[in-house]
Amino acid sequence: TQLLEQSPQFLSIQEGENLTVYCNSSSVFSSLQWYRQEPGEGPVLLVTVVTGGEVKKLKRLTFQFGDARKDSSLHITAAQPGDTGLYLCAGEEAAGNKLTFGGGTRVLVKP
Amino acid sequence: DAGVIQSPRHEVTEMGQEVTLRCKPISGHNSLFWYRQTMMRGLELLIYFNNNVPIDDSGMPEDRFSAKMPNASFSTLKIQPSEPRDSAVYFCASSGTDNYGYTFGSGTRLTVV
Repeated sequence: TQLLEQSPQFLSIQEGENLTVYCNSSSVFSSLQWYRQEPGEGPVLLVTVVTGGEVKKLKRLTFQFGDARKDSSLHITAAQPGDTGLYLCAGEEAAGNKLTFGGGTRVLVKP
Repeated sequence: DAGVIQSPRHEVTEMGQEVTLRCKPISGHNSLFWYRQTMMRGLELLIYFNNNVPIDDSGMPEDRFSAKMPNASFSTLKIQPSEPRDSAVYFCASSGTDNYGYTFGSGTRLTVV
């Protein structure tokens, strides 16, 4: 079983501050995805990274895939209350379509 | 597109009763997944189907759990008999061959008392 560990588990910051969430594994993934989940809803896909060393930007969110494709990070610049939610990373195994999810990082951005 | 549709949204049942959760995936998606989410264990994959065929059910907790996908537009997850430790939010998700990730439903919150 390929495990994904996220850190920190919980992050509380003030509006305007920056934050980084980490996702680490000892296993190599063919791709890694980041999702955000709000209370009472299912996770929603933010981005998929496929190539080692890849960096993708989505407005104030920057996603990076490690060179060895074992780890990833999500950086949010100038966080806003609307960024509040549970952030989940998920790794796709090389064979097949199955995703393994990390434990999640709960982010609270206070106004 | 209405997205992945799950029903019911909430289910409260007594221990020992049968529970059936339903899912309608996005039209054209060929993979369907059932996940369970709890505070303690996070999101756990229970079973997934490709082209209506079960591929990996190693996450199904025990024989009390069963899942079917009789056609491309419908799947069920059944728990019989239900136990209080089955209380969780159950998500269905679907994906296509375009590598655009999963689309999740809004989940079914199951409470077994």
